[in-house]
Amino acid sequence: LAKTTQPISMDSYEGQEVNITCSHNNIATNDYITWYQQFPSQGPRFIIQGYKTKVKNEVASLFIPADRKSSTLSLPRVSLSDTAVYYCLVGLPGAGNMLTFGGGTRLMVKP
Amino acid sequence: DSGVTQTPKHLITATGQRVTLRCSPRSGDLSVYWYQQSLDQGLQFLIQYYNGEERAKGNILERFSAQQFPDLHSELNLSSLELGDSALYFCASSVEALGGYTFGSGTRLTVV
Repeated sequence: LAKTTQPISMDSYEGQEVNITCSHNNIATNDYITWYQQFPSQGPRFIIQGYKTKVKNEVASLFIPADRKSSTLSLPRVSLSDTAVYYCLVGLPGAGNMLTFGGGTRLMVKP
Repeated sequence: DSGVTQTPKHLITATGQRVTLRCSPRSGDLSVYWYQQSLDQGLQFLIQYYNGEERAKGNILERFSAQQFPDLHSELNLSSLELGDSALYFCASSVEALGGYTFGSGTRLTVV
């Protein structure tokens, strides 16, 4: 089971780009990287998932270097509503091993 | 609306009691997962069911049990409740493919 390490917290200002990095040194060959966002008292929400290189959707980008030992979630031009906890998970989707959420990164966006 | 329905949204009960939390997965999803999140704590994985069968088990107490029914809804049973069981309980569902989990809005359990 790949262990992940993320910063405990980050601060940013509205309009800035935020990059949150997750380390996963023992990622397995078949593992995918998935990021979730959680607001207080709500269930986590899927943001983005990738295997290698770069993935982009309407809300975020995910950068994965060639060695796949880390990944970076990039949130463009954050707003106050992006204040939340962001979790990085590593594993094989549906196989039972992408089940453990770490401590996540608490992002605070300031005006 | 995520498509995952959890009931009830709030539950207040006394120590020693037993409660049942219900989860209806998103249409087409065969897997159901249960998580516990205490105040200011991370998400603790409890148990996973796939198409009625237990697939994976996490830090689930012996006082807790779950099952998934033929219509794929799932129930989490919590018995001999203690104050420390007060938490948000989330259910999530997924297909056996990429795309991540879809979480419900949770059941907030308060044990008094």
